[in-house]
Amino acid sequence: GAVVSQHPSWVICKSGTSVKIECRSLDFQATTMFWYRQFPKQSLMLMATSNEGSKATYEQGVEKDKFLINHASLTLSTLTVTSAHPEDSSFYICSALGLRNEQFFGPGTRLTVL
Amino acid sequence: AQSVTQLDSQVPVFEEAPVELRCNYSSSVSVYLFWYVQYPNQGLQLLLKYLSGSTLVKGINGFEAEFNKSQTSFHLRKPSVHISDTAEYFCAVIRNTGKLIFGQGTTLQVKP
Repeated sequence: GAVVSQHPSWVICKSGTSVKIECRSLDFQATTMFWYRQFPKQSLMLMATSNEGSKATYEQGVEKDKFLINHASLTLSTLTVTSAHPEDSSFYICSALGLRNEQFFGPGTRLTVL
Repeated sequence: AQSVTQLDSQVPVFEEAPVELRCNYSSSVSVYLFWYVQYPNQGLQLLLKYLSGSTLVKGINGFEAEFNKSQTSFHLRKPSVHISDTAEYFCAVIRNTGKLIFGQGTTLQVKP
């Protein structure tokens, strides 16, 4: 089956620093990947759609300068949280779009900003 | 616009009892429907999906769901749950853009 990995699985950083999260499709190519954010006991909120070779499309209310997305290859998308603050602490999940519009999800990255 | 409503935020049930997690959707066009499971601190795992064809869909771990167009529902069922089924369950519908719209989630708590 289609496998998507994320790295790191968890990260703790100081306020003001930047953190990069990688999302990889391991056994298939994905021209489209999605980035979600999930707060405790809540559903997934779509942050942006990442398209290989082009700019990401951000959902309303998501700061594109704060959450930088790069989709440089067909198997890798990165999310960089710039100048992270405690309110950015969350669980970040990516997914890769496969055939028949099915999304395959990564295991998530827990970000804690001190 | 498409949306998904999960009617129960929490469902407590005893082990080996049957369970139904409810999901209703609203859409004016053909829909693709999904159920995902999320274990603590993990990503989402696909349980089952309805794309077309038979309205009764069987998934992994003994779960099944029935697509009911007249009631705009896609309820998830399992005849006998295990402790290991304790998790968060999300119903979702897909837009023609490929974006998933998730319901609010239902916490299934299986008690011994």
